[in-house]
Amino acid sequence: RKEVEQDPGPFNVPEGATVAFNCTYSNSASQSFFWYRQDCRKEPKLLMSVYSSGNEDGRFTAQLNRASQYISLLIRDSKLSDSATYLCVGGGYQKVTFGTGTKLQVIP
Amino acid sequence: DTGVSQDPRHKITKRGQNVTFRCDPISEHNRLYWYRQTLGQGPEFLTYFQNEAQLEKSRLLSDRFSAERPKGSFSTLEIQRTEQGDSAMYLCASSPDGIGQYFGPGTRLTVT
Repeated sequence: RKEVEQDPGPFNVPEGATVAFNCTYSNSASQSFFWYRQDCRKEPKLLMSVYSSGNEDGRFTAQLNRASQYISLLIRDSKLSDSATYLCVGGGYQKVTFGTGTKLQVIP
Repeated sequence: DTGVSQDPRHKITKRGQNVTFRCDPISEHNRLYWYRQTLGQGPEFLTYFQNEAQLEKSRLLSDRFSAERPKGSFSTLEIQRTEQGDSAMYLCASSPDGIGQYFGPGTRLTVT
């Protein structure tokens, strides 16, 4: 089983829609979690950290469910510019593992 | 620009040649990471430095790969006797004590 697993998608959603991605992790000792965004042929960019209490940044909300070992990312009011691959990341404070990414395509 | 920089951005080499990549992290970040990414996959961990100390190296990394961070600032990743399977994007990232990682633009290696 992979340490971090994501549905590769693609998720095709219309502008203005709400979309949610889930990601599961296998190591119950994992301590840090993040979501990254990666545009085609570009480097990953840190989107947000994920905390047990959940956190929100504008249209983006991330949550962690330790009991079920998954993290989620919710994007509200999708914009065309949100089209990208979203990478789920989990691990310790030194080394983390990246998922393979979920591709989002926002359609006009 | 105070982000992570990598050099070169692209490298084409023939099988069997040695290549070396350089990464300059964000100046106040003491952690530096190297990853490899192929199409359709997430970044795969290669190695990690805290200051000049190499604290972890992936078991997937063969003896042909070596990395250094001699003064705790920039880092180099060398691949000896390159193989076609080494073709990938090599990404460097830095972090200020584990609060997320900030990536450079990567070095795209093509081995012919």
